[in-house]
Amino acid sequence: GNSVTQMEGPVTLSEEAFLTINCTYTATGYPSLFWYVQYPGEGLQLLLKATKADDKGSNKGFEATYRKETTSFHLEKGSVQVSDSAVYFCALSAGANSKLTFGKGITLSVRP
Amino acid sequence: DVKVTQSSRYLVKRTGEKVFLECVQDMDHENMFWYRQDPGLGLRLIYFSYDVKMKEKGDIPEGYSVSREKKERFSLILESASTNQTSMYLCASSNPRGTGETQYFGPGTRLLVL
Repeated sequence: GNSVTQMEGPVTLSEEAFLTINCTYTATGYPSLFWYVQYPGEGLQLLLKATKADDKGSNKGFEATYRKETTSFHLEKGSVQVSDSAVYFCALSAGANSKLTFGKGITLSVRP
Repeated sequence: DVKVTQSSRYLVKRTGEKVFLECVQDMDHENMFWYRQDPGLGLRLIYFSYDVKMKEKGDIPEGYSVSREKKERFSLILESASTNQTSMYLCASSNPRGTGETQYFGPGTRLLVL
């Protein structure tokens, strides 16, 4: 079956630090890959996505590249801000009806 | 702006009660989903619906049922609430055009079963 593995958390960084959150997947076929973010007290919202190999998704300074050879979709940001503090979920969609399989999520805290 | 709303942000119920969680979307989406979110487990799919009156079980349907009488509304029903159903419940909707479709989420309902 499909699965998503995220690195263990939580992660605490100082403002302006570089961020990498690892995500690897197992899927049949050709999945689409997503990063969703959940700010405190809110539901999830799409951060970025990539629908085919070598695509790069980007938004709000975050980037992730769909690497088929390593089955990975790592999230990066060059300089984090306090406002980036949230829970980040990696997910894939590989079947009909846009069903998503999520990783466990990782909490990011950014200190001023 | 797209919008998915859930009937309650916080809910407290007693063991054995029947609980209804309502979700409404205004985007004319065909697909709707119910997840539960628990620390260390991420989001797990309970049920989804790809059309009015159509439903399919997700990964953890036991103890839950759903209803979709209208396209914009998807209800999650806990037939007899138990303490292990204390959780955050998230509703989402999307178009069915393929694997790259974005799901749009509501703000969530935090349910406590005593």
